[in-house]
Amino acid sequence: EIVLTQSPGTLSLSPGERATLSCRASQSVSSSFLAWYQQKPGQAPRVLIYGASSRATGIPDRFSGSGSGTDFTLTISRLEPEDFAVYYCQQYGSSPYTFGQGTKLEIK
Amino acid sequence: EVQLVESGGGLVQPGGSLRLSCAASGFTFSTYWMHWVRQAPGKGLVWLSHISDEGSTTNYADSVKGRFTISRDNAKNTVYLQMNSLRAEDTAVYYCARGGQSGLSWGQGTLVTVSS
Repeated sequence: EIVLTQSPGTLSLSPGERATLSCRASQSVSSSFLAWYQQKPGQAPRVLIYGASSRATGIPDRFSGSGSGTDFTLTISRLEPEDFAVYYCQQYGSSPYTFGQGTKLEIK
Repeated sequence: EVQLVESGGGLVQPGGSLRLSCAASGFTFSTYWMHWVRQAPGKGLVWLSHISDEGSTTNYADSVKGRFTISRDNAKNTVYLQMNSLRAEDTAVYYCARGGQSGLSWGQGTLVTVSS
């Protein structure tokens, strides 16, 4: 089983700042099958990034993903008020399709 | 537009059973793998199971292997999760999701509470 470790656990930033979220895998993720999801309270998650770096339909270009192998990053270039939420990475290259434990992005 | 509507959640006693359903629309259901993911109150996402497009391949997380069974009916555009021998730690919101190379597309979830 591939274990995904996200850091930091909580990130406190202000609107307009840049956010950098990390996801590290215990083994190489097959073919960069790595996705990032955003979840707001009381809502289902939604996909932001798939294939490590491709933005999902309708996702603003301030969100970007990078990385390969075991190290992946989600960057939000300039935080908007609606971006404060919990973010999860997930690998879907090999079963079980594990999630990281999440990073909570909160307003400073 | 992808729509996934879960149903079948509720309150069940420890040791009991429940079957969740997920009705899909807005895409060609029979060509996608389908998944179940859960989220305990205040906790993170946990992948549980998936089933191939034709239903011939299934996989499970260790935490539910032998207790939960995923299945699908492509004629009804529906995926199911049969949950047996339920425990208090199975209390969670259960999401079904469509798979694919572009990540998971999610339903709104159904709450399962295991309590006496």
